[in-house]
Amino acid sequence: DTEVTQTPKHLVMGMTNKKSLKCEQHMGHRAMYWYKQKAKKPPELMFVYSYEKLSINESVPSRFSPECPNSSLLNLHLHALQPEDSALYLCASSLIGLAGGQVYTGELFFGEGSRLTVL
Amino acid sequence: DAKTTQPNSMESNEEEPVHLPCNHSTISGTDYIHWYRQLPSQGPEYVIHGLTSNVNNRMASLAIAEDRKSSTLILHRATLRDAAVYYCILGNQFYFGTGTSLTVIP
Repeated sequence: DTEVTQTPKHLVMGMTNKKSLKCEQHMGHRAMYWYKQKAKKPPELMFVYSYEKLSINESVPSRFSPECPNSSLLNLHLHALQPEDSALYLCASSLIGLAGGQVYTGELFFGEGSRLTVL
Repeated sequence: DAKTTQPNSMESNEEEPVHLPCNHSTISGTDYIHWYRQLPSQGPEYVIHGLTSNVNNRMASLAIAEDRKSSTLILHRATLRDAAVYYCILGNQFYFGTGTSLTVIP
């Protein structure tokens, strides 16, 4: 199974709503990622989890709250979003390890994304 | 992470080879060079990676300059399914540059 599954595929929410995006993988990967992608732009890294611990937060506003409850699941909790947060949210996973004193990551496997619209 | 520079767009005729360039003059000695592509309405997918030597796999070939300041992704026979944005990424693969949008002409 080389799939990263993201749900829901589409989400419409108001600025006062609370919703969550979910990502799941069963490849035994211990690194998981959230990216944000606006139309015609490259994916922008938001968060990285390594071994279920947050290792990178790219100065993302607190209205986005990530959670990694176990090694297979990654959530992104959304609250009080703004219309400019409308985008495709991509989840990815990869192997991660240590070799020669350096952290290395394997190939990133991406899900198809959750398209979010904030009204 | 070191910066990459790619042309914004390229065109290729179907069944012709395509050479997609990437400049990375500030690459460090331990940075791998990775290529991903993103088909329309899909998440990015891995294509190939290398460190110093040229690499081949079922999808593409990667040619790396001797000084490692540039690399070229080679699609040997472009098909319509290869129309995508191709990203050249260095190091830990987290940060995407602007990529090259490849159009394949039937």
